[in-house]
Amino acid sequence: GAGVSQSPRYKVAKRGQDVALRCDPISGHVSLFWYQQALGQGPEFLTYFQNEAQLDKSGLPSDRFFAERPEGSVSTLKIQRTQQEDSAVYLCASSLPGTGSNGEQYFGPGTRLTVT
Amino acid sequence: DQQVKQNSPSLSVQEGRISILNCDYTNSMFDYFLWYKKYPAEGPTFLISISSIKDKNEDGRFTVFLNKSAKHLSLHIVPSQPGDSAVYFCAAIPGHFGNEKLTFGTGTRLTIIP
Repeated sequence: GAGVSQSPRYKVAKRGQDVALRCDPISGHVSLFWYQQALGQGPEFLTYFQNEAQLDKSGLPSDRFFAERPEGSVSTLKIQRTQQEDSAVYLCASSLPGTGSNGEQYFGPGTRLTVT
Repeated sequence: DQQVKQNSPSLSVQEGRISILNCDYTNSMFDYFLWYKKYPAEGPTFLISISSIKDKNEDGRFTVFLNKSAKHLSLHIVPSQPGDSAVYFCAAIPGHFGNEKLTFGTGTRLTIIP
């Protein structure tokens, strides 16, 4: 079966531009997470959806970051007025919570964002 | 404040020998621990996990040990193979129902020398 896919894989944006990053989770997975991974660091949590509900957005670094999952499947992470410090790999993960789950999250390949 | 720490940024091990990767955590609320493996240009992939009610979990060549009193866990790979060369991340969550955000360490780059 298909895994988590993300697009684009690479994005170069000029400072001040808006970008939109897409995530297609594994079909049927209820939970969807976004993480940001800076160079040489581990992934850091940004936000979490259960179906279409955004239950936790405590990791979003500023109000320039916005995420949505309107129909409970595909999700988009939008960054407005990009800054150089936004340069990172943005990872999406999905999981199937509940009894029988081992907590495993399945990650996509990420989108590498470079802000120039 | 780094709640999950991997103090060795890199490790080189001879093929066939044992690789030991270490991880420390500070948050007592963490209840479930996972190891992820990451190749370049790919997302992390799940390797093995352990619940706080256990002190050891084994899956083939991979064994994870948890010392809850020391807030320390380790991943043992034996025998090490060239395909094990990757970055390994330790991660923790306060539950284990798949709806908890992962807190990651900074990773250890493992290189297996043929």
